Amino acid sequence: AQRVTQPEKLLSVFKGAPVELKCNYSYSGSPELFWYVQYSRQRLQLLLRHISRESIKGFTADLNKGETSFHLKKPFAQEEDSAMYYCALYGGATNKLIFGTGTLLAVQP
Amino acid sequence: EAGVAQSPRYKIIEKRQSVAFWCNPISGHATLYWYQQILGQGPKLLIQFQNNGVVDDSQLPKDRFSAERLKGVDSTLKIQPAKLEDSAVYLCASSLMTGPYEQYFGPGTRLTVT
Repeated sequence: AQRVTQPEKLLSVFKGAPVELKCNYSYSGSPELFWYVQYSRQRLQLLLRHISRESIKGFTADLNKGETSFHLKKPFAQEEDSAMYYCALYGGATNKLIFGTGTLLAVQP
Repeated sequence: EAGVAQSPRYKIIEKRQSVAFWCNPISGHATLYWYQQILGQGPKLLIQFQNNGVVDDSQLPKDRFSAERLKGVDSTLKIQPAKLEDSAVYLCASSLMTGPYEQYFGPGTRLTVT
């Protein structure tokens, strides 16, 4: 079965602290993994995808197939990073995007 | 470019009533998605269109939900009759084509069923 798990509903950090948002997945094939973000009063939007291997707004995420994880990291959190973050998996067998339950990141000043 | 448009933004109805949502995707996007997002959960795909054909509707409660995408552009999602558990945000999204492509989301319609 295709499943995405985000174990933390809320992650609260101070400005300048490192951030790691956890994402684990279950999928038997080769997955495509994404992080979507929703800032307050804005639409859900793509933050990054593993296949592009790029850093967006200082965030990076590495696909670890051995641990079936795709954790989102940033070395120094900023207040503007406060948002809801969703990990999502695209499975070629199902042709659909499956979202996790999301983690609310709150960066305190 | 103009984003995905949805209307209405908010709707309050009583159970057993009917409701319809409208979505206009980004111009040129062949694939259109309707998601249901219940409070505290991630978006769940209800139905996916490629042009005006259905790609996946396996999680659409077909006894009460229906959707169409006439002429492969705009789409409507209808609920009839509504139940209390249908209270959620309904998101429309579009992408260039079916596959692991970036999906562009609309602002959503918040439905409250009383």
